[in-house]
Amino acid sequence: QSVLTQPPSVSGAPGQRVTISCTGSNSNIGADYDVHWYQHLPGIAPKLLIYGDTNRPSGVPDRFSGSKSGTSASLAITGLQAEDEADYYCQSYDSSLSGVVFGGGTKLTVL
Amino acid sequence: EVQLVQSGAEVKKAGQSLKISCKGSAYNFTSHWIGWVRQMPGKGLEWMGMIYPGDSDTMYSPSVQGQVTISADKSISTAYLHWSSLKASDTGMYYCAKKGVTSPYFDYWGQGTLVTVSS
Repeated sequence: QSVLTQPPSVSGAPGQRVTISCTGSNSNIGADYDVHWYQHLPGIAPKLLIYGDTNRPSGVPDRFSGSKSGTSASLAITGLQAEDEADYYCQSYDSSLSGVVFGGGTKLTVL
Repeated sequence: EVQLVQSGAEVKKAGQSLKISCKGSAYNFTSHWIGWVRQMPGKGLEWMGMIYPGDSDTMYSPSVQGQVTISADKSISTAYLHWSSLKASDTGMYYCAKKGVTSPYFDYWGQGTLVTVSS
């Protein structure tokens, strides 16, 4: 059971917009610790997509955006492309555990 | 370009020891935390712990505390993850990753080391 809860799967057609939620608690997201997002393809190193809730590293398309409110955060992907099919993870810090925590991951399928 | 290069895949028997490595380049290795993240078969990413190579300060997840040791040799820009006695349940992919400048996110990742432990 992950400290941060994500839906196991989401799907969308090419060109559509999808969102992936990440629900935490008052010891992590709700305590205003930053939320970060990664894209992970099997067998390949995870890639940082969003850091500090809303910031994109250089090279990440602006189709990817992050937001946070209360004890939850979301990753939005617009203009869905086949290459976006991957697993997506949220990550934050938890003060009760005194450490980094990941969500359980969400598998994005592009129909 | 910042790079983290991990040691190759390992096949071990339960009870054996193992140390895998992660060599950083093209950045100041001593000034950035290095974390270890595992992915067990069919499961998600799980943070194990991290080390600050400058002074070897370490943090561990409660789930692995006492089960592994994280160390670093700053003279050769290399971090390590060590098991003294492997279990079959340690089978999985292990990634090292460099912590970003501000809050604890990981901006660069190693390619992963697959560890297979037979019982």
